[in-house]
Amino acid sequence: DADVTQTPRNRITKTGKRIMLECSQTKGHDRMYWYRQDPGLGLRLIYYSFDVKDINKGEISDGYSVSRQAQAKFSLSLESAIPNQTALYFCATSGTGGANVLTFGAGSRLTVL
Amino acid sequence: GQNIDQPTEMTATEGAIVQINCTYQTSGFNGLFWYQQHAGEAPTFLSYNVLDGLEEKGRFSSFLSRSKGYSYLLLKELQMKDSASYLCAVRDPNETGGSYIPTFGRGTSLIVHP
Repeated sequence: DADVTQTPRNRITKTGKRIMLECSQTKGHDRMYWYRQDPGLGLRLIYYSFDVKDINKGEISDGYSVSRQAQAKFSLSLESAIPNQTALYFCATSGTGGANVLTFGAGSRLTVL
Repeated sequence: GQNIDQPTEMTATEGAIVQINCTYQTSGFNGLFWYQQHAGEAPTFLSYNVLDGLEEKGRFSSFLSRSKGYSYLLLKELQMKDSASYLCAVRDPNETGGSYIPTFGRGTSLIVHP
């Protein structure tokens, strides 16, 4: 099984719909992250959580919310999806020591029509 | 804010050596990362530099000069499977997430041809 699992892997939805992307990890890490990737723009941080009771906005949090249900689970919600939220979304986790290397999930491709 | 620059695209020949550069301008510095990302897949960690100098790991090496705000990733004996995007990422204690979260450059798409 993958260290970081994202569901769904692909989703097509319509403007105004509520969407939840789920992420779970088996690495036992406290830190989890949601990134968005758009062609030509690289990875941008949406939200991050350093433990179950800690939630922080990243550089592009508007239009998104998150929930840290447990150490292993971190979900991203789009309350009312809009077309410019069409992107590839990555969940990641990291440990607390040394290089704090990110381990990414396989990604969730979201298309908002 | 941060400014991380890398070339958008590079091409190279199988068996050759390629150097991918990354320059950065940050108010602070706490490490530089290189990740590899194949098309449609997750980024995977390649290297980490926090002190000046060269880190070698098999066919891949990464160099850092903090005074110049410069790093490069060197790929030797290129293989077709090395065709991917290479992401440079810098940690700045003064940015979002403090000392723990890197900011990514836009990535360099490397195409290896026979």
